[in-house]
Amino acid sequence: GDSVTQMEGPVTLSEEAFLTINCTYTATGYPSLFWYVQYPGEGLQLLLKATKADDKGSNKGFEATYRKETTSFHLEKGSVQVSDSAVYFCALKDTGNQFYFGTGTSLTVIP
Amino acid sequence: EAGVTQFPSHSVIEKGQTVTLRCDPISGHDNLYWYRRVMGKEIKFLLHFVKESKQDESGMPNNRFLAERTGGTYSTLKVQPAELEDSGVYFCASSQERGARETQYFGPGTRLLVL
Repeated sequence: GDSVTQMEGPVTLSEEAFLTINCTYTATGYPSLFWYVQYPGEGLQLLLKATKADDKGSNKGFEATYRKETTSFHLEKGSVQVSDSAVYFCALKDTGNQFYFGTGTSLTVIP
Repeated sequence: EAGVTQFPSHSVIEKGQTVTLRCDPISGHDNLYWYRRVMGKEIKFLLHFVKESKQDESGMPNNRFLAERTGGTYSTLKVQPAELEDSGVYFCASSQERGARETQYFGPGTRLLVL
C-alpha cells in the first residue's frame, strides 16, 4: 500500500544553519505530496505542496521538489530560525484522495 | 475565521472507561476527518465524513470506536471501553472540497492517555 518514510529526528540545528529533512514515498499512480508543520500547542498547518512531478512547493523560505524518479520530496531551508522549531510531517494524497503521513521529524533550532 | 477546534485538549482515563472527543470544523466545510497519531508513529487516517454521512471508515481500528456527526456540523469520536493502546493524539481536520484542490485544515489535537 501507499506509505511515506521520513527522516527520524530529533534534529537540532543552530540558527542560520541549512536544513534538510528527507522524505520518500511509495504510491501507485500519481499522488500529491505535502509538508505539514505543527508548532507547539497548535494543529498541523499546510507548509507547502506539489501536485505533479518536478513541481516545486515553497513557502516561508522552505522548499521541496517532487522527484518522481527518486520518489522523494525532501524539505529544505537555507537558513533556519528559532521560530522554525516544530514537528514536520511529510504526507501524500493518493488518487483516492486518502492521506498518508510520515512519522514526523522534530526540529529544534538553537540561538 | 475560526479554525478547527477540538475538545478536550488532554484527557487521562483508566482502562475500561469511556471517553468522547469533540471536533468543530470550520464553518461551511462539508468534509471532516479524524486521524490518530500513536506515540512516535505516523498519523493514520481513521474516517471521513461528508456532511453527516460516513464516506470512509476504513481506518477505524475496531468496534470500540464510534464516530458521529450530528446534523453535519460538529463530530464526536467515542472510545468505549478504552484500552491502553488507544493512547495517542487524535486530530480532526476539515476541508471545503475534495480532489486536487483540497486543503485540509487541522485542529490542535486531543492528547489521550489511557492508564
